[in-house]
Amino acid sequence: RKEVEQDPGPFNVPEGATVAFNCTYSNSASQSFFWYRQDCRKEPKLLMSVYSSGNEDGRFTAQLNRASQYISLLIRDSKLSDSATYLCVVNPYSGNTPLVFGKGTRLSVIA
Amino acid sequence: DGGITQSPKYLFRKEGQNVTLSCEQNLNHDAMYWYRQDPGQGLRLIYYSQIVNDFQKGDIAEGYSVSREKKESFPLTVTSAQKNPTAFYLCASSRAGSKDTQYFGPGTRLTVL
Repeated sequence: RKEVEQDPGPFNVPEGATVAFNCTYSNSASQSFFWYRQDCRKEPKLLMSVYSSGNEDGRFTAQLNRASQYISLLIRDSKLSDSATYLCVVNPYSGNTPLVFGKGTRLSVIA
Repeated sequence: DGGITQSPKYLFRKEGQNVTLSCEQNLNHDAMYWYRQDPGQGLRLIYYSQIVNDFQKGDIAEGYSVSREKKESFPLTVTSAQKNPTAFYLCASSRAGSKDTQYFGPGTRLTVL
């Protein structure tokens, strides 16, 4: 099983729709989790950290389910500007191994 | 303005030549990283450094070399031994070691002709 797995998409949704992405991770000892956003031909940028109790930032909500080892990202009222690839990132907490990046889920919001 | 800079943005080289990609940060971060990204693919870790004068191989270190003589700088050399060097190279840094949130530079797109 890969360390971090995401559905590659693409998810094509109309403006105003609600869309959710899931990500599973293999290491049950993983300590911290993040969502990054990457626009086409640009660098990844931190979107939000994911806390155990779940957290919200405007239209974005991140949830963590430790028992099932998955995290999710919910985007409400999608905007055209939300079109990007969303990367799930996990701290595997294995010695000094750096963060592990998923391959990303591509989202296209259509007018 | 604090941040991570990579230069140049686009780089073209002939096959068989070594090339060095620059990465500088003024965030006072201890750890720095190099990733490679191929079209439609995820990030793959090449090398990382948690402290000056120390670095570790990532998942795809063959054909690459790095140095970390200064906290602010982590240059990557793509050697002629790297079989498929054409890719998008991303440098990142983080604050307190390899577990903290990483911040990325704008990347260098290397094309080997």
